[in-house]
Amino acid sequence: DAGITQSPRHKVTETGTPVTLRCHQTENHRYMYWYRQDPGHGLRLIHYSYGVKDTDKGEVSDGYSVSRSKTEDFLLTLESATSSQTSVYFCAITPSFGYGYTFGSGTRLTVV
Amino acid sequence: KNEVEQSPQNLTAQEGEFITINCSYSVGISALHWLQQHPGGGIVSLFMLSSGKKKHGRLIATINIQEKHSSLHITASHPRDSAVYICAALRDSNYQLIWGAGTKLIIKP
Repeated sequence: DAGITQSPRHKVTETGTPVTLRCHQTENHRYMYWYRQDPGHGLRLIHYSYGVKDTDKGEVSDGYSVSRSKTEDFLLTLESATSSQTSVYFCAITPSFGYGYTFGSGTRLTVV
Repeated sequence: KNEVEQSPQNLTAQEGEFITINCSYSVGISALHWLQQHPGGGIVSLFMLSSGKKKHGRLIATINIQEKHSSLHITASHPRDSAVYICAALRDSNYQLIWGAGTKLIIKP
């Protein structure tokens, strides 16, 4: 009954490989977001979506792409993983832009 | 200079103490969020406020729009309040959230 789930929870991958993280929601919220969290930084927005097939870049979008083919799923792809992309990734959903955040449990990604 | 600054970065207190965490911002905002991140990593939204004061249990959040400052207070603190508390300002020009770096709170029994 979490309303939002992320998968996988943990992943270790090699430099240069593509990686896809999944965010799934059951709340039918319009807005979905991908953030990364690194020590010493606040959460930083990677990409967000404001509807099916409607996405936009955040402040740290280089090296990442997203897709939203269904309301409930928002995928984050690292096209060619680098060590600088080692981070904890959080998905969030809101019913309106900027209000009413619900966060997923996070995905810890390690690129070796 | 970051657009959202939190203080202190780290705070250790004894159980029962009154806790204050501060958040200052330098941009125009339409709302300010307070969130809690537990050691397990999950992030929970505590408050969203655009003026005045909100209270939920032992947590109180205030905001002064003129001074561009918000505070989160915890009364009768308990070890289970140990967490990272994050403020995030919703910029009024583009409705993007600007996140503070967080305050790590440890309450000792």
